[in-house]
Amino acid sequence: QKEVEQNSGPLSVPEGAIASLNCTYSDRGSQSFFWYRQYSGKSPELIMFIYSNGDKEDGRFTAQLNKASQYVSLLIRDSQPSDSATYLCASRYSGAGSYQLTFGKGTKLSVIP
Amino acid sequence: EPEVTQTPSHQVTQMGQEVILRCVPISNHLYFYWYRQILGQKVEFLVSFYNNEISEKSEIFDDQFSVERPDGSNFTLKIRSTKLEDSAMYFCASSEGKETQYFGPGTRLLVL
Repeated sequence: QKEVEQNSGPLSVPEGAIASLNCTYSDRGSQSFFWYRQYSGKSPELIMFIYSNGDKEDGRFTAQLNKASQYVSLLIRDSQPSDSATYLCASRYSGAGSYQLTFGKGTKLSVIP
Repeated sequence: EPEVTQTPSHQVTQMGQEVILRCVPISNHLYFYWYRQILGQKVEFLVSFYNNEISEKSEIFDDQFSVERPDGSNFTLKIRSTKLEDSAMYFCASSEGKETQYFGPGTRLLVL
């Protein structure tokens, strides 16, 4: 059973601070990991993906992957009120012909002005 | 910037009725997906579609569900006999390769 676990929050951070969002996964066969942002009532919007151990940076966002610990994180630097949303972590299994994403429940982030 | 589109944005139907949800994936994408999200719950995979056939489906995607690519642009999800528990937001997604799936705005389905 592939599971992705996230703390549901809410996580509150002041404007300008670093927000740290965490995710763990159960299936060691998971290969790629994705962070999506979802505003209330809207669809998931891809922020970034990572598949190698270590850090990957894209603007204010840094994804971190530790396959040994089965742990993925997303850091948001200089958080803005517009970053307030639910952040979804998703994994993709490495099996041949497998394309499905397994999502966590998401962490609600609130950036306080 | 190209995007996935979905119609209708909202659909209300009576239990037992058939519904068809429509999607236009991004034009050069080859892989297509349907996900659903029941209110307050996680996004769940339903089915993936590649080269005009289903490549993977979840336990949710039972005989009441079907998908079709009737022409070169549309991708549809049909629910034959809707149940109350089918009420959810249905998202279509597409990807060029295996990695980045882009989601459409969703269709909110309410079964009465």
